[in-house]
Amino acid sequence: QFVLTQPPSVSGAPGQRVTISCTGSSSNIGAGYDVHWYQQLPGTAPKLLIYGHNRPSGVPDRFSGSKSDTSASLAITGLQAEDEADYYCQSYDSSLSGYVVFGGGTKLTVL
Amino acid sequence: QVQLQESGPGLVKPSETLSLTCTVSGGSISSYYWTWIRQPPGKGLEWIGYIYYSGSTNYNPPLKSRVTISVDTSKNQFSLKLSSVTAADTAVYYCARQVVVRGVYYMDVWGKGTTVTVSS
Repeated sequence: QFVLTQPPSVSGAPGQRVTISCTGSSSNIGAGYDVHWYQQLPGTAPKLLIYGHNRPSGVPDRFSGSKSDTSASLAITGLQAEDEADYYCQSYDSSLSGYVVFGGGTKLTVL
Repeated sequence: QVQLQESGPGLVKPSETLSLTCTVSGGSISSYYWTWIRQPPGKGLEWIGYIYYSGSTNYNPPLKSRVTISVDTSKNQFSLKLSSVTAADTAVYYCARQVVVRGVYYMDVWGKGTTVTVSS
């Protein structure tokens, strides 16, 4: 259903490092389009977390993004309780007339 | 600091047209792209489409036949119309500013969202 594939859930203990994967194809991530990440806290709108390899002002450097071939990853180090949220990856797909695509989202639980 | 606010009816009848407006404050609508995204209850995000301030548009292929996005630069607003709605169109609808630069596409400013329910 979603062009980009994410694991439904990940978990980690406070202080640990977790990664969230985002798998695409040759028409999106594999075509060279950047991957961006959003954090959605419960009951709120999504917030831009990572764009490409960059962080908007105010986002801690505990969050980082990487990309390789047809996939990307979001890494969170020094996990904190406040990081518990849904995370979405997003890119662009060049098929058809070109369009913005999202992953299905990953629920991060801080144990 | 740019802020976005969605407005429109919270309840729409099946087969009718959903209409929402996004008002941009704290900055000009000009020289940017503006987008609509929705999130059905308990589900993920779905991109609907974007518009450039000059009026050019790009829509999500599965929704393209039912979607119209327009812009009113004099009011610093852009709007969404989704026709022939069904219960599957029930969702929180977000407006956002879309960055489009040299093949890079992402949303950097989001509205708080508005809930639209399709029901008779």
